[in-house]
Amino acid sequence: QQQVKQSPQSLIVQKGGISIINCAYENTAFDYFPWYQQFPGKGPALLIAIRPDVSEKKEGRFTISFNKSAKQFSLHIMDSQPGDSATYFCAANTGNQFYFGTGTSLTVIP
Amino acid sequence: DAMVIQNPRYQVTQFGKPVTLSCSQTLNHNVMYWYQQKSSQAPKLLFHYYDKDFNNEADTPDNFQSRRPNTSFCFLDIRSPGLGDAAMYLCATSSDWGVFNTGELFFGEGSRLTVL
Repeated sequence: QQQVKQSPQSLIVQKGGISIINCAYENTAFDYFPWYQQFPGKGPALLIAIRPDVSEKKEGRFTISFNKSAKQFSLHIMDSQPGDSATYFCAANTGNQFYFGTGTSLTVIP
Repeated sequence: DAMVIQNPRYQVTQFGKPVTLSCSQTLNHNVMYWYQQKSSQAPKLLFHYYDKDFNNEADTPDNFQSRRPNTSFCFLDIRSPGLGDAAMYLCATSSDWGVFNTGELFFGEGSRLTVL
């Protein structure tokens, strides 16, 4: 059973555009909702994370929007750059358990 | 400096030939995880150690075993690899503080396993 559902599977955006990736969950016990960025041949690395008592968190060009009632959260990448081309995973954790979405392959075209 | 180091980065084995993958960490984190990641799929948790306490996911095949001899090291043993076990194996660490304050896992660069 997929604990965290992620869409789209792939995304192509022009340089300077906005990239939006969506995730949904069912388990209300989740404490944290991090986003990870993974480049080919590398392990995932934390990009930004949010707790369920906050509706939005912004770090530079990256923003998480969180809708607790809908059990949905999304990553917005403003002014997308070619260097942002990577696979993005949303995740949710409760205690020491981390569950990942299926990933979104983002390509930013120069 | 690398904080979670996995060896080998690439491992080729024959069907049924045991394999051991290693993970070491310099973060002194008390929790260590092993994930399996197949192409274009989410990392799938196999098991994790909370200190010395081993926690196996219910759907992790018996073919996969793990050892954690000390805080810094963790091993993944695949007793009889099948073609379906070809994947990237990711080791990750976290601390109690990190889990409850940042939601952060620290990943190694992975060990890619090929089964012939």
